[in-house]
Amino acid sequence: QVQLQESGPGLVKPSVTLSLTCSVSRGSIRSTTHYWGWVRQPPGKGLEWIGSIFYTGSTYYNPSLESRVTFSVDTTKNQFSLRLGSVTAADTAVYFCARQSVREGGPPFFDLWGQGTLVTVSS
Amino acid sequence: DIQMTQSPSTLSASVGDRVTITCRASQSISTWLAWYQQKPGKAPNVLIYKASNLESGVPSRFSGSGFGTEFTLTISSLQPDDFATYYCQQYNYYPWTFGQGTRVEIK
Repeated sequence: QVQLQESGPGLVKPSVTLSLTCSVSRGSIRSTTHYWGWVRQPPGKGLEWIGSIFYTGSTYYNPSLESRVTFSVDTTKNQFSLRLGSVTAADTAVYFCARQSVREGGPPFFDLWGQGTLVTVSS
Repeated sequence: DIQMTQSPSTLSASVGDRVTITCRASQSISTWLAWYQQKPGKAPNVLIYKASNLESGVPSRFSGSGFGTEFTLTISSLQPDDFATYYCQQYNYYPWTFGQGTRVEIK
């Protein structure tokens, strides 16, 4: 069973760049039927899609965050990463990495999630 | 962006009840809708994809229906493990968007 695990700092200062990595185990990130995404959830609030990346490096970002976000993929390490710049307290959230599957020829949906990691933005 | 609106926001029910949650999209998304269950401190877990397809391993008491702009998630007989928050998500148009969630509480 494929597993996803987020890693990164739990506390970052305002205005810096937040970096998180998602490690994929028991399966290959080099899949033609999967995308790899990030979703965040502020404490006590709902879910927000940040963006997704294909193993080739093609990226799809939420326009609300596109000016501050960069995704990358490392197929040799079976990992993909998120960088979010100029963070503020509003970026405090649990950040989930997730796999998106293409089924029946349709667009991809989230079918497997990491456990999530809480990132707090505070000085 | 496609706005996804769930109703109700909170639902109080008893074990054994039939429960229905509605999700409305601000424009047609065909059948590209998924439902997720989330328990406190845990990641979401997919229940339904493509509006009505039951994800493997999900109990058959969960079902989904709808097309276009109106969708429903039904739990035929609520079990103790089902008390959680449920989210719908459209994946027809970027940016993919979620509903605000429906919390199912014990009555």
